[in-house]
Parts: sequence; C-alpha cells; structure tokens
Amino acid sequence: DTEVTQTPKHLVMGMTNKKSLKCEQHMGHRAMYWYKQKAKKPPELMFVYSYEKLSINESVPSRFSPECPNSSLLNLHLHALQPEDSALYLCASSQDDTGGDYGYTFGSGTRLTVV
Amino acid sequence: GQQLNQSPQSMFIQEGEDVSMNCTSSSIFNTWLWYKQDPGEGPVLLIALYKAGELTSNGRLTAQFGITRKDSFLNISASIPSDVGIYFCAGRDNYGQNFVFGPGTRLSVLP
Repeated sequence: DTEVTQTPKHLVMGMTNKKSLKCEQHMGHRAMYWYKQKAKKPPELMFVYSYEKLSINESVPSRFSPECPNSSLLNLHLHALQPEDSALYLCASSQDDTGGDYGYTFGSGTRLTVV
Repeated sequence: GQQLNQSPQSMFIQEGEDVSMNCTSSSIFNTWLWYKQDPGEGPVLLIALYKAGELTSNGRLTAQFGITRKDSFLNISASIPSDVGIYFCAGRDNYGQNFVFGPGTRLSVLP
C-alpha cells in the first residue's frame, strides 16, 4: 500500500462549526504532516508529527488542532474557522521527519470552504 | 529562511514540444525533488536527486541536480495533454529538517 488516504474530499463548514479532517497511511512511515495550500501557491507546512509526537508547529492558530492517535492516523480538528482558512488541506507522510530519502507521499487533499 | 525560485512561472506549449523548467536556491541543497500536481489533487513525486551532477529519467521526464548544488532542472520531452499541471521543486540542505517548496511552474499544453 503506497497511498495516503484523506477524508472527506470536500467540506463546507460554518464559522461556528467543529469538524475534523482525517488522514491514514499504511506504508510504515514514521512522520506525518499537515500542509495548507491556497490557490496557485505551493503547500505550506502546518504541523509535523514524528513517531506520533508533535515535533513542529509552524505558528498555526489554535483553531487548528492536530492529533495523531497512532502511527497510521492523523487528524486535524477544526473549530471557529474564518473564511480565509478556506484552502486545500494536504496530509503527507515520509519515512522520517526529515522527509526521508524519497520526500513526502501526499494524499489527495480535503478542499475546505468556510462560509 | 531558505527560498526557492522556479522559472518560468507559467508556460503554454504545443503538444509534442519539449519543455524545460528550472529551480534555483540561495543556499546549497543535498537533495532535490520534483513533484507534479493535478487540479484538485495532491502533489505526486516524479523524480528525486541526491548528488551534484546527477541526471535521472522517469519516462519522458529527465531531471538534473545542478553542479553548483544551488539549482535543478526538469525537462519533459514530446509533451502530451496529460502533462498539464503545476510542477513543484523541493529542496533540502544538510541542516534543514524538512523540504522547502518552490512556487511552482504551471504548464499548459495546447492540442
């Protein structure tokens, strides 16, 4: 299995809603990442989990809350988001938290719209 | 922090033409990656480069690790419509914990 699976593919939420994005990989990778990507821009790193522990938080607002229940799963909990948080949210994994030898394997992303 | 530049920013080519794009850095990198992203999808790794001067092919794609270690090049031969997308380079130096992404080159192929 060489895939990173993200659900849902699309999500529309109000500014008072609470929702979660989910990510799963079964490649035995020990690092997992959340990226945010706005239109026509490169992916922007949000969080890095290494061996199920949060190792990097790129000054992300607290309305985004990551969780790594085990080595295969990564969640991103969303609460009180703003319309400017609308973006494609990408999950990725790699062999280790330096990106490994082959860089990141990305999921297809969740297209989030905040209304 | 590290920054990457990609050139050109966008390009329109005829089907069957060859394509060249590059990625430059202000610092020396030890690994270069090239990704392609289709609309609404995540980036997919095309080629990874690990040594200065290295030339690696993947089908019609060829990438090179520049000898100065501050640049990398991607060539696509005989372009086809499915080559349309955004091509991102990503690099990592000896001290970086993660890869840094370039801003991307948007490729459009005209039939």
